[in-house]
Formats: sequence, C-alpha cells, structure tokens
Amino acid sequence: GQQLNQSPQSMFIQEGEDVSMNCTSSSIFNTWLWYKQDPGEGPVLLIALYKAGELTSNGRLTAQFGITRKDSFLNISASIPSDVGIYFCAGQGGTSYGKLTFGQGTILTVHP
Amino acid sequence: NAGVTQTPKFQVLKTGQSMTLQCAQDMNHEYMSWYRQDPGMGLRLIHYSVGAGITDQGEVPNGYNVSRSTTEDFPLRLLSAAPSQTSVYFCASSLNRVTEAFFGQGTRLTVV
Repeated sequence: GQQLNQSPQSMFIQEGEDVSMNCTSSSIFNTWLWYKQDPGEGPVLLIALYKAGELTSNGRLTAQFGITRKDSFLNISASIPSDVGIYFCAGQGGTSYGKLTFGQGTILTVHP
Repeated sequence: NAGVTQTPKFQVLKTGQSMTLQCAQDMNHEYMSWYRQDPGMGLRLIHYSVGAGITDQGEVPNGYNVSRSTTEDFPLRLLSAAPSQTSVYFCASSLNRVTEAFFGQGTRLTVV
C-alpha cells in the first residue's frame, strides 16, 4: 500500500525560530493535507493542497505540494510556545475516495 | 455546530468483550472513516464509507465491523476485544473525496 515518510520525527527549538518538516511518498497523491494534533485531541487541519506546485500560506504556516506529487513540506515561521504538538502530513490518492494515508508525525517542542 | 462527535471518550474492556464506538457528524458529509492511532505509527485507516449503505475496508480492518445506515452515523464495532486493539480511535468525515477530513476528539480504548 501507499506509505508516507515524514521527517524529522521530533524537533526541539527555541521560541522565534523557524521550523521545516517534510513528507515523501512512494506513490503519487492528488491532495496533500497538513494536520496538527494537541494532546488528548483529534487532528485539526492546518493547510490543504490540491495542485502540484501549489504553495499555500496560513498565517505563519506555509506548505507546498511537490511538483512530482510525491512530496510536500510545511514551514512554520517565528515559532511560539503554542505551536507545540504533533504535526502530521496526509495524502489522498486518485482512487482513495476519502481515504487518507498519514505520515508518522513530527513532535514539535518549543522552548520559551 | 458540533462537527464530528465521538462517544465514549474513554473505555476499558476485558479481553473477549464486545462494544460499539459511536460516531456522528452533522455536516451532511458523504465520506466517513475510522482510524486508529498508535505511538510512532501515525493514524491508520480501519474502515471507511463513501455514503449510506456503502462501506469498505482500510489498511487494518481485522477485528472491526462497521455499518452506515444513515448519512450522520458510522459506528465501529469490536466483536471480541483483544489487547492489540488498545489504541486511540478517531472518526473523521469529509464532504467528498477531494476535500479535507474533519476529525472527532477520539476514543481512548484499553483492552485488558
């Protein structure tokens, strides 16, 4: 089946630093999504990408859909303590009919 | 606006017991799905549904049953619980296959 490799697995940064994480796939995806999960909560959508090459921003977050359709990255600029959490990438293929394949997650810790 | 509602939030079962995890959405979404989340493995798809009366298996379906008699509800049944089913379970819904999935807050299940 489809697999996503997300890296890094964890990051420890100082407040104010920029963060970058990425996902790569062995298969082509038609949609890339980035989610954040706080402790005890379900994942919450941050950014959705629908076209190869698309670059989308949401406040301090920027994500891109790779041209090959097999990768995506998420950048967080000027991190703040509330950015702490687990970030997941997820991909949706052409015949998956609403099924998402998730990366393993990146655990982000921000030190004040 | 409730979104996706899961009940219960916590559950402890003995090996061999059965139970049903409830999921309801009030957004008139076609697609609903169940994922399990285990440490270091991201979210894995158990079963999904593309509409009332239609269900299909995901990546890890063994030990679980689902049905979709209405658009709003998508219960997940464990017929004979096993310790390997200890996990956090998330229900998600999306309008159609090209739009993002919204998640419930999860059910933390422990099988002893």
